[in-house]
Amino acid sequence: GQNIDQPTEMTATEGAIVQINCTYQTSGFNGLFWYQQHAGEAPTFLSYNVLDGLEEKGRFSSFLSRSKGYSYLLLKELQMKDSASYLCAVNNQAGTALIFGKGTTLSVSS
Amino acid sequence: DTAVSQTPKYLVTQMGNDKSIKCEQNLGHDTMYWYKQDSKKFLKIMFSYNNKELIINETVPNRFSPKSPDKAHLNLHINSLELGDSAVYFCASSQGRKRTGLNTGELFFGEGSRLTVL
Repeated sequence: GQNIDQPTEMTATEGAIVQINCTYQTSGFNGLFWYQQHAGEAPTFLSYNVLDGLEEKGRFSSFLSRSKGYSYLLLKELQMKDSASYLCAVNNQAGTALIFGKGTTLSVSS
Repeated sequence: DTAVSQTPKYLVTQMGNDKSIKCEQNLGHDTMYWYKQDSKKFLKIMFSYNNKELIINETVPNRFSPKSPDKAHLNLHINSLELGDSAVYFCASSQGRKRTGLNTGELFFGEGSRLTVL
């Protein structure tokens, strides 16, 4: 099966940098996804890593280390609108669905 | 145009009733899903269909019955509703591989249907 761990809550201030960690255990690794979910809304895709290293996309970057079963999402120049849940996800063993972690709720204050 | 749309958005009903949630996607995707998000925000896979065929049925009670009349639609019918069924149900789609149903990319989610069972 899959096991995904990420912190439950994090807080940060506007303009700061925050790193949200995710560790996972899965057989048949086929990529790791990060999703953002604002309160009362649907999750939306942020990033996908299948090879080791850092993928940068504007203020958001995502890192993967397959040997360590570890990923992080890095958010720079935080804005109030970044307050949301951040979900780490990997494919299930059969590759037929995404399995999500329990999410990290990020609160950004001024 | 809404890519993945589900109705109704809100549903309040009594225990023991039967209800349905409909989902449609206009992305041309082969694979559709139902996820349940409980009060603790944990998003859990329930069902997956690839081109109208059931691929995944995760330990979900028999009271939940998905139906896919075509690959653009995946509806969820729930019989004999219980208090524990209260949650937000998300429909999603992805461009899976046609023959094997393997997930090859990101999921596109509907807006969610908030079910409250009294």
